[in-house]
Amino acid sequence: QVQLVQSGAEVKKPGSSVKVSCKASGGSFSSHAITWVRQAPGQGLEWMGRIIPKIALAHFAQHFQGRVSMIADKSSGTAYMEVSSLRSEDTAIYYCAGSSYGSRVDAFDMWGQGTLVTVSS
Amino acid sequence: QSALTQPASVSGSPGQSITISCTGTSSDVGGYNYVSWYQQHPGKAPKLMIYDVNNRPSGISYRFSGSKSGNTASLTISGLQAEDEGDYYCSSYTSSITVIFGGGTKLTVL
Repeated sequence: QVQLVQSGAEVKKPGSSVKVSCKASGGSFSSHAITWVRQAPGQGLEWMGRIIPKIALAHFAQHFQGRVSMIADKSSGTAYMEVSSLRSEDTAIYYCAGSSYGSRVDAFDMWGQGTLVTVSS
Repeated sequence: QSALTQPASVSGSPGQSITISCTGTSSDVGGYNYVSWYQQHPGKAPKLMIYDVNNRPSGISYRFSGSKSGNTASLTISGLQAEDEGDYYCSSYTSSITVIFGGGTKLTVL
């Protein structure tokens, strides 16, 4: 099964941006969509949005619209998620996830290892 | 959109059965049979345990089962084992073509 490998931990200043990558280990996306989920320290899972690499179509949770962007490089099998105007509340582990169940945009049976983003002055 | 409602914690003794509820609305849980359940151990990524309300991915024990009635979905774990301890999250597809998660339930095996 394809594995999702994410970039390493980041420490950022408030007001800056962070870009997290998620690479399919086989070099291509076997999942119809790549979804991003974040988890603040001691908190639950929060769906941020998804991108469908084949058609470069992204959809975001209302909470993140205007501050989050997602792109996918089909040639390298890598997806990227960028959060701008970072604030302390954005400190969290960011996961990429996918589904091996056809064209599903839910039912995530593939997960990256997570990327810790710390926002601190 | 608020998170799906789950109990903060549940507990049970080895061998017992427990059920975790997940309550949403007709725009998510009640409107679609796209409810999933995830198990998360400390420091690990979530693991899919149930999808489409009551389907188990390959390799998931038969002790895990799911159901739904109206706007509430449930995860039942039978024959509780120590390794079942962890956090459990439900999720649902929504009418806004998004996915929403529950707040999470901490399962303690006594």
